[in-house]
Amino acid sequence: EAAVTQSPRSKVAVTGGKVTLSCHQTNNHDYMYWYRQDTGHGLRLIHYSYVADSTEKGDIPDGYKASRPSQENFSLILELASLSQTAVYFCASSDRTGNQAPLFGEGTRLSVL
Amino acid sequence: GDSVTQTEGQVALSEEDFLTIHCNYSASGYPALFWYVQYPGEGPQFLFRASRDKEKGSSRGFEATYNKETTSFHLQKASVQESDSAVYYCALGRNNNNRIFFGDGTQLVVKP
Repeated sequence: EAAVTQSPRSKVAVTGGKVTLSCHQTNNHDYMYWYRQDTGHGLRLIHYSYVADSTEKGDIPDGYKASRPSQENFSLILELASLSQTAVYFCASSDRTGNQAPLFGEGTRLSVL
Repeated sequence: GDSVTQTEGQVALSEEDFLTIHCNYSASGYPALFWYVQYPGEGPQFLFRASRDKEKGSSRGFEATYNKETTSFHLQKASVQESDSAVYYCALGRNNNNRIFFGDGTQLVVKP
């Protein structure tokens, strides 16, 4: 069964600390995405990748890095976490053709204190 | 640039009411249009998509018709149930780069 798995599901981090959010997909999809969800702002694209070892900036990349070491794995890295990065983060994957809509993970709730 | 507008932040209905959630888009050509549903504590789930003018997408009793003239893709359901309470997202996609743009979402609350 197609799946996108995120870890951890929730995390509390301290301001200035480093945070890594992980995503693993078993869909054999080329594209992977990281979205941020805030109340009233819907889903905003942070970074995405269409091939291993390469990432692209989305609409709100500042303060975030991404890493795609393999087709299955895609990480989001906050080198210096800030209060404003408290949000729910979603990973998604989709196939190359664009004929399938992106499949989302369950989300990671991040609280930066 | 491409964008999606959902005018209602929240819609409150009673069971068996008719639902319309409005979605308008701004984009050139014929982008793909999607509806997603998100239940509390879960990720967004794909409902259906359409990619051609006048094409109707449907799933689980929900439907929407791609309208190029009015640049709209409004979500409708004839008779809502309490279990339909969720956040609904309209989204726009491009096949040439696989990027998806989401609206701000509409919270549907259905009272028994």
